[in-house]
Amino acid sequence: GAVVSQHPSWVICKSGTSVKIECRSLDFQATTMFWYRQFPKQSLMLMATSNEGSKATYEQGVEKDKFLINHASLTLSTLTVTSAHPEDSSFYICSASGGSGTEAFFGQGTRLTVV
Amino acid sequence: SQQGEEDPQALSIQEGENATMNCSYKTSINNLQWYRQNSGRGLVHLILIRSNEREKHSGRLRVTLDTSKKSSSLLITASRAADTASYFCATGGEAGNTPLVFGKGTRLSVIA
Repeated sequence: GAVVSQHPSWVICKSGTSVKIECRSLDFQATTMFWYRQFPKQSLMLMATSNEGSKATYEQGVEKDKFLINHASLTLSTLTVTSAHPEDSSFYICSASGGSGTEAFFGQGTRLTVV
Repeated sequence: SQQGEEDPQALSIQEGENATMNCSYKTSINNLQWYRQNSGRGLVHLILIRSNEREKHSGRLRVTLDTSKKSSSLLITASRAADTASYFCATGGEAGNTPLVFGKGTRLSVIA
């Protein structure tokens, strides 16, 4: 199957700083990538849809100025958590639509801890 | 928003037993997928069942789909301790630019 690589797998940052998470499709071109957030013992909630070359579409309740998404190429999307606070601590995971049917390919996820 | 509701939310069984997890969804679908997530890790795609299919098998996994009841079930037979994980159903993603919508998930614990 297709491979989506997400980096870093975990990060600890101080409150007020910004953190960038990368999501790369390694063996296919992904015109669309999705960013999800997962709090402990909860399900994945869609944050935004990232389209190559255009602005991301954010879900209701997700602050676009706080969660900056850039999809500069067909293989890379980045999520930057700006001015992170402890409540932003969560598991962030990206996915990209691949070429084989409707299966979505997920990155390994990033565990963000804001202290 | 979440499309599906899984039940049970948590399930604990002995190794060798079968585990059944159920998922209900709200809108019409073209397909439904099941994913597995080990604690704190990424998602692993298990199986996709299309709306015109009623049952699908993959190894020890058996998935059923009842579109009239808007429900699906995932059966894991002869469970192993390594099956301990969270299992999610997901709908959507029919087109490349539409996201998956996940159910709340079932946390399965298989005790050796």
